[in-house]
Amino acid sequence: QLQLQESGPGLVKPSETLSLTCNVSGGSVSTTTHYWGWVRQPPGKGLEWIGHIFYLGRPTTNPSLKGRIIISVDTSTNRFSLKMKSMTAADTAVYYCVRLLGVAAFDYWGQGTLVTVSS
Amino acid sequence: QSVLTQPPSASGTPGQRVTISCSGSNSNIGSNAVSWYYQLPGTAPKLLIYNNGQRPSGVPDRVSGSKSGASASLDISGLQSEDEADYYCAAWDDSLNAVVLGGGTKLTVL
Repeated sequence: QLQLQESGPGLVKPSETLSLTCNVSGGSVSTTTHYWGWVRQPPGKGLEWIGHIFYLGRPTTNPSLKGRIIISVDTSTNRFSLKMKSMTAADTAVYYCVRLLGVAAFDYWGQGTLVTVSS
Repeated sequence: QSVLTQPPSASGTPGQRVTISCSGSNSNIGSNAVSWYYQLPGTAPKLLIYNNGQRPSGVPDRVSGSKSGASASLDISGLQSEDEADYYCAAWDDSLNAVVLGGGTKLTVL
């Protein structure tokens, strides 16, 4: 059974860069049939797509996040990562790593990790 | 302001059928597949429907999805107490080059 698990800091200071990692178990990030991505949810609000990546390709990221996003895949550790620059309080959210069954179809989710941006 | 428009709330009694709508435009729902998600408080969302109307394994057949033009619908028949949750629709948007989502609908089972 595929499992995704996010890891990273729960607290980030304003203007710093967030780094999150998603560990994939029970499957391979090198699959040719799925993409891997990130979705976030501010407290009490709806879902927002951050971006996704195919292990052999370039990431597709949310234009509204204005080039702040880097998504990468590490096949040697079977993980994929998210880096988000210039964090502000508006980026406080639960961050989920996901597997994509198709575009906009996220069929496996990590449990989510709350990231708070505060000094 | 979400790109896809959902009613903020919906309700029904046990055994009833409920429909949740998702309205978009030609650049998203009108030309791409729609997915639906279900989320209980404090938990990760779960995929209910993909490709407009396909169910992943484990999703009961009383849950169905459809699409017509630039709108989509999620139907839940035989409503049960465990259906009380937040529901989200999603699709790719060709103009924005982004996955866009609805603001969510809170379903209450009365």
